[in-house]
Amino acid sequence: QKEVEQNSGPLSVPEGAIASLNCTYSDRGSQSFFWYRQYSGKSPELIMSIYSNGDKEDGRFTAQLNKASQYVSLLIRDSQPSDSATYLCAVLDGGSQGNLIFGKGTKLSVKP
Amino acid sequence: ETGVTQTPRHLVMGMTNKKSLKCEQHLGHNAMYWYKQSAKKPLELMFVYNFKEQTENNSVPSRFSPECPNSSHLFLHLHTLQPEDSALYLCASSQDLWTDSNQPQHFGDGTRLSIL
Repeated sequence: QKEVEQNSGPLSVPEGAIASLNCTYSDRGSQSFFWYRQYSGKSPELIMSIYSNGDKEDGRFTAQLNKASQYVSLLIRDSQPSDSATYLCAVLDGGSQGNLIFGKGTKLSVKP
Repeated sequence: ETGVTQTPRHLVMGMTNKKSLKCEQHLGHNAMYWYKQSAKKPLELMFVYNFKEQTENNSVPSRFSPECPNSSHLFLHLHTLQPEDSALYLCASSQDLWTDSNQPQHFGDGTRLSIL
């Protein structure tokens, strides 16, 4: 069974610090990786996608991918209280069309 | 406003009831999805539709019956549900099916379903 693993947290960081969220996946055939943010009671919102090994930066967010280690991470610089949410790692199933496999999510809390 | 609207937002039903969840997307997308989100479990894909045709059924019990009359509308018909079916049901859409291209899925706010 293809799986995506995340530490459920909660991960607590002070305002202004770097939050580091990690994810591992089991399907070596996966080529597309995504981070979603989900506020309590709201729907998931795509914040980053990454397809190649290395780093991808977008504003305060940096996604990192290492396919050899089957590892993807999200760094949030200068964390703000408004970043407090659950972050979902999702991996596109390499063997099917349209099947996103999600982790359980890591709850992030940014303390003022 | 996400462009994907789900109704109702909350639904409470008995195990013998029949009800339907509705999803409508205003984004001109061709692919639509149903997901189930249970407490302390990952989001689970249930069904995928592309141009109104079902392309994925992720071993979902037959008490869940999807319907996609056109590319903008997706329904999930519910019948004889069990208490473990209580969850948040999320609809999503994307321009086309995901392959290796950047096709983000846009989610609705979900229907919170409680089975008595």
